[in-house]
Amino acid sequence: EPEVTQTPSHQVTQMGQEVILRCVPISNHLYFYWYRQILGQKVEFLVSFYNNEISEKSEIFDDQFSVERPDGSNFTLKIRSTKLEDSAMYFCASSVEIISNQPQHFGDGTRLSIL
Amino acid sequence: QKEVEQNSGPLSVPEGAIASLNCTYSDRGSQSFFWYRQYSGKSPELIMFIYSNGDKEDGRFTAQLNKASQYVSLLIRDSQPSDSATYLCAVNTGTASKLTFGTGTRLQVTL
Repeated sequence: EPEVTQTPSHQVTQMGQEVILRCVPISNHLYFYWYRQILGQKVEFLVSFYNNEISEKSEIFDDQFSVERPDGSNFTLKIRSTKLEDSAMYFCASSVEIISNQPQHFGDGTRLSIL
Repeated sequence: QKEVEQNSGPLSVPEGAIASLNCTYSDRGSQSFFWYRQYSGKSPELIMFIYSNGDKEDGRFTAQLNKASQYVSLLIRDSQPSDSATYLCAVNTGTASKLTFGTGTRLQVTL
């Protein structure tokens, strides 16, 4: 069964450094998402992306965050200058919307630890 | 603030029993409702989704939706120890829109 893949599985970074999290969505999916989950808390939406532009973003997704689809397969989340509070699991998700309201499928996540 | 509320649990049920997980949501514009299972340290895994009022069954799982009461539930029949996980309720308001998650209910299936 096709799946969303994320790399790396764990990223340790010094505060203030830039980090790029990578995702390969399911190949025929058209909509891409990033969510995060701080340890012990609920899954929170960050951003959605369609047709090479941001569709929607949350208050969390400030100027320090950016997303890009640099080629036909990868979807990346960049945090420009990481803070301690950015430590969380980051999940990429994708969906196909040929039929409306198709579910989002999640990758295994990247655990980001900011020191 | 559009909220999705779940009892955090833990909900403890004996093996073979029915587990009933509940979720309420505040946004009347919500259109689609999803149940994800999340094992500790892992990613959300889709269990079921439902759009229309009533029941939807898939194997041991039944999702129930009541839009008038803004209530969605998940029943797990013949619960197994492997069902022990946190169950996340998520809603969205339309095509390709973001998911809003509840905090999840931790289910423990005991031998």
